Amino acid sequence: DQQVKQNSPSLSVQEGRISILNCDYTNSMFDYFLWYKKYPAEGPTFLISISSIKDKNEDGRFTVFLNKSAKHLSLHIVPSQPGDSAVYFCAAKNSGGSNYKLTFGKGTLLTVNP
Amino acid sequence: GAVVSQHPSRVICKSGTSVKIECRSLDFQATTMFWYRQFPKQSLMLMATSNEGSKATYEQGVEKDKFLINHASLTLSTLTVTSAHPEDSSFYICSAHRGYSNQPQHFGDGTRLSIL
Repeated sequence: DQQVKQNSPSLSVQEGRISILNCDYTNSMFDYFLWYKKYPAEGPTFLISISSIKDKNEDGRFTVFLNKSAKHLSLHIVPSQPGDSAVYFCAAKNSGGSNYKLTFGKGTLLTVNP
Repeated sequence: GAVVSQHPSRVICKSGTSVKIECRSLDFQATTMFWYRQFPKQSLMLMATSNEGSKATYEQGVEKDKFLINHASLTLSTLTVTSAHPEDSSFYICSAHRGYSNQPQHFGDGTRLSIL
């Protein structure tokens, strides 16, 4: 049972435009969410996170939006750059848990075309 | 940013060999380290959670005698795949966590294990 779902396996956007990556979750106990970026043959790199007490967090070109009622979050990248081309994983955590475990989605491959 | 080093990056060996993978947090003390396995076009699947100085906690379906985990210090965890077989071929990734709530895990670059 996938508790974190990224329903779009791939997304292609033009350089300079906005990339919107979506993520849905089913576990209402999740209260901390993260986005990671992964290049082939490398480990994931932490990008940005958001706590459930917020609905938006911004860091440079990256903004994460959280809609708790819909159990949905999204990552916006603007403007998109070719170097942003990678697989993006959404992850979620229950802060009440004792071991900091993350549950990951399957990832979305973003391709930014020059 | 936090740096986690994983070694080796790639291993090719014969069936029946045991393989050890190291994971080091280079610039912070990691009270908790995690070991993941990733199949092609799939998500990261958590194998086990390792706390310094205590036994690892394995996820359901992961054989603890097959995948031996040692977390002897706050900067080093090792995963040993014992008597590896071709079905153990995969991409193994570790991550390290500082032990404070709402902090991200920081990942190594992974190990591509190929068993012939």
